[in-house]
Amino acid sequence: AQKITQTQPGMFVQEKEAVTLDCTYDTSDQSYGLFWYKQPSSGEMIFLIYQGSYDEQNATEGRYSLNFQKARKSANLVISASQLGDSAMYFCAMNSGNTPLVFGKGTRLSVIA
Amino acid sequence: EAQVTQNPRYLITVTGKKLTVTCSQNMNHEYMSWYRQDPGLGLRQIYYSMNVEVTDKGDVPEGYKVSRKEKRNFPLILESPSPNQTSLYFCASSLAGAVSTDTQYFGPGTRLTVL
Repeated sequence: AQKITQTQPGMFVQEKEAVTLDCTYDTSDQSYGLFWYKQPSSGEMIFLIYQGSYDEQNATEGRYSLNFQKARKSANLVISASQLGDSAMYFCAMNSGNTPLVFGKGTRLSVIA
Repeated sequence: EAQVTQNPRYLITVTGKKLTVTCSQNMNHEYMSWYRQDPGLGLRQIYYSMNVEVTDKGDVPEGYKVSRKEKRNFPLILESPSPNQTSLYFCASSLAGAVSTDTQYFGPGTRLTVL
């Protein structure tokens, strides 16, 4: 069975600093996708970034990058130059083949001015 | 604008009163899915649909029904809601769920309270 583990229930970061949100995963599949979603206090789920298991380069989307270490089964999200609007819950998720998207429990990020 | 819409966004109802939460997407996606989100339990899949007239159970299907009569719509039906179905519900869609590279896009959520 697939599993996503996010070990940081909450994180604080100073505005303009970078922050890393941890995510480890467990799967026996060779082909899978890893995703990060942001959930602000308003409740919607916003897709941030995707990494495929066969992608050799780490994914980047603006200030978001995914530090993919396949051997360690980790897919950490790095947010550079944090902004107050980055305060939210962040969820790591994965899927493979026909299996449904599996989510971690999330990390609450608070950006401090 | 490409989006997934859900209605209603907020609903307070009473035990046993049948309700339907609608979900619609305008991206011609094959795959649609329903999730519920509860504190401490994260997001769990209720039902999903790989295509029109094809639906299947997720992790927590008890107490729910779905239908997929047309590609764009995937309503969630609670025939006899109970208080333990109080939750935040999300509809999501992706181009083709069978492909692991597909990104699921989520609707804005429906906050349901069953008294």
